[in-house]
Amino acid sequence: DTEVTQTPKHLVMGMTNKKSLKCEQHMGHRAMYWYKQKAKKPPELMFVYSYEKLSINESVPSRFSPECPNSSLLNLHLHALQPEDSALYLCASSPTPAYNEKLFFGSGTQLSVL
Amino acid sequence: TQLLEQSPQFLSIQEGENLTVYCNSSSVFSSLQWYRQEPGEGPVLLVTVVTGGEVKKLKRLTFQFGDARKDSSLHITAAQPGDTGLYLCARGEYGNKLVFGAGTILRVKS
Repeated sequence: DTEVTQTPKHLVMGMTNKKSLKCEQHMGHRAMYWYKQKAKKPPELMFVYSYEKLSINESVPSRFSPECPNSSLLNLHLHALQPEDSALYLCASSPTPAYNEKLFFGSGTQLSVL
Repeated sequence: TQLLEQSPQFLSIQEGENLTVYCNSSSVFSSLQWYRQEPGEGPVLLVTVVTGGEVKKLKRLTFQFGDARKDSSLHITAAQPGDTGLYLCARGEYGNKLVFGAGTILRVKS
């Protein structure tokens, strides 16, 4: 299994809603990532988890809350989002958090905030 | 964070034409990755270049890493509609932060 699976594929939420994005991999990878991507722009790093511990937070607003329950799962909890948070949210994993590891990306969750 | 500049930003060509995409930085990088992203999907790694002057081929795609390791190029020969997508160069930074260039949107018309 060489896939990173993200659910849901699409999500529409209001600014007062609470929702969660889920990411799963069964490749035994010990680093997992959340990226945000606006249309026709490159992905921008949000969070990095190394060995289930948060190692990088790129000054992301607190309305985004990541969680890594175990080495296979990564969640992104969303609360009180703004319309400008609408984007494609990509999860990725790599075998280790070592420098320049290959990243395996999921297909993303397309989020629309109304 | 060292910036990665990509050019051109957008390329629309006919099937069968050749094209080159460039990725440049003002600083030396130890290695560079090229990804392709199709609509509705996540990026997929095409190649990693490590050694200055290195050339790697992947079917009709040729990747070069500059001698000074400050620039890289991707050349596609006889482009096909299936090559359409967003091409991204990326470099790893401390803590395995993968930083992407702005990307080149390629559209190949049949």
